[in-house]
Amino acid sequence: AQSVAQPEDQVNVAEGNPLTVKCTYSVSGNPYLFWYVQYPNRGLQFLLKYITGDNLVKGSYGFEAEFNKSQTSFHLKKPSALVSDSALYFCAVRLSGGYNKLIFGAGTRLAVHP
Amino acid sequence: GAGVSQSPRYKVAKRGQDVALRCDPISGHVSLFWYQQALGQGPEFLTYFQNEAQLDKSGLPSDRFFAERPEGSVSTLKIQRTQQEDSAVYLCASSSWGIKTSGRVNEQFFGPGTRLTVL
Repeated sequence: AQSVAQPEDQVNVAEGNPLTVKCTYSVSGNPYLFWYVQYPNRGLQFLLKYITGDNLVKGSYGFEAEFNKSQTSFHLKKPSALVSDSALYFCAVRLSGGYNKLIFGAGTRLAVHP
Repeated sequence: GAGVSQSPRYKVAKRGQDVALRCDPISGHVSLFWYQQALGQGPEFLTYFQNEAQLDKSGLPSDRFFAERPEGSVSTLKIQRTQQEDSAVYLCASSSWGIKTSGRVNEQFFGPGTRLTVL
């Protein structure tokens, strides 16, 4: 069965420091991987995706993610965190066949402190 | 606006009532998805439409849940005889490609969701 794991319920980081939000996946076949962010009372906003090619993917708002096939991971990173980055982050995987059904992780709450 | 819209944003229902949740996808988007997000959880897939065809309803939790998209644009998710366990945020998403264009992998655009509370 396909699944996504986000091992940390919450990540705390000081403003200006680098941040990492972890994601691991389990799928058969080639995965397509996504990161979304959710602010209070708002829908999910797309940050970035990995389809193929370079393992380092750059996305919106200065975020990037590194695909590691051997570790089946797709960690979200940002070199310098902002207080405004505080939100709920979801990793999702889509199978390479068929349509675009997404399987989401449980989410990680990022808290950036001034 | 050009995004996905959902209405109502909030719905309170008494147990046993029927509810209908509406989704207006981005104009021209072929694919439409419904997800259910329970408190503290990630969204879980409910059903998928390509144009007006409902191609996957494997995530619908019971036969009390019904979705339609009769003209291939606006979609309605209906829940009959609501139960307390139906309380959740219901998210709608659309994307511009369907099965026949699977060579493209497009992100889904999500609406703000409808928060359903069943008392």
